[in-house]
Amino acid sequence: QKEVEQNSGPLSVPEGAIASLNCTYSDRGSQSFFWYRQYSGKSPELIMFIYSNGDKEDGRFTAQLNKASQYVSLLIRDSQPSDSATYLCAAETSGSRLTFGEGTQLTVNP
Amino acid sequence: DAGVTQSPTHLIKTRGQHVTLRCSPISGHKSVSWYQQVLGQGPQFIFQYYEKEERGRGNFPDRFSARQFPNYSSELNVNALLLGDSALYLCASSKTGGLWGYTFGSGTRLTVV
Repeated sequence: QKEVEQNSGPLSVPEGAIASLNCTYSDRGSQSFFWYRQYSGKSPELIMFIYSNGDKEDGRFTAQLNKASQYVSLLIRDSQPSDSATYLCAAETSGSRLTFGEGTQLTVNP
Repeated sequence: DAGVTQSPTHLIKTRGQHVTLRCSPISGHKSVSWYQQVLGQGPQFIFQYYEKEERGRGNFPDRFSARQFPNYSSELNVNALLLGDSALYLCASSKTGGLWGYTFGSGTRLTVV
């Protein structure tokens, strides 16, 4: 079992729709979780982090964390073509290292 | 404020050679981590340094080494390069070791031929 698993892509949504990205993790000791966006050929860019159960909203982005289910998600409302990228879920594990999933490629179609 | 800066941006090396990659963290950030990202995969943790001490090491061979300098900049060294070392090498910095997330540099694209 991989330490961090993301829903397999690619994911394609129409412009204006809600994109839902999911992630599960295996290390119950993980306390903080991060969503990074990575455009092709570029480095990851931090979108949001969450460490408490529940929802955290920032503009069009909402991160959700359920520690009992070991589940993290990212919702992107009113998706725009500029949101087309690979989204990486990461858990902070022992030694303050980030363990990443393999990423989900999102395409928003105009 | 300058972000995380990495040099060089691209590098081509021959198998068996040695390479040194450099990273300058955001001003005020004392933690630097190195990650390797192979095409199509998520970044893999290599090293973390905090206040010039190694705080973590990922599952990489001893050919990989790193250090952090008094000004908090860092170097990643890879000896005896293999074709499989071809990847994007990412440096990330954080104020306190990651609680609020890491900011990544633009990376060094290493190609081993």
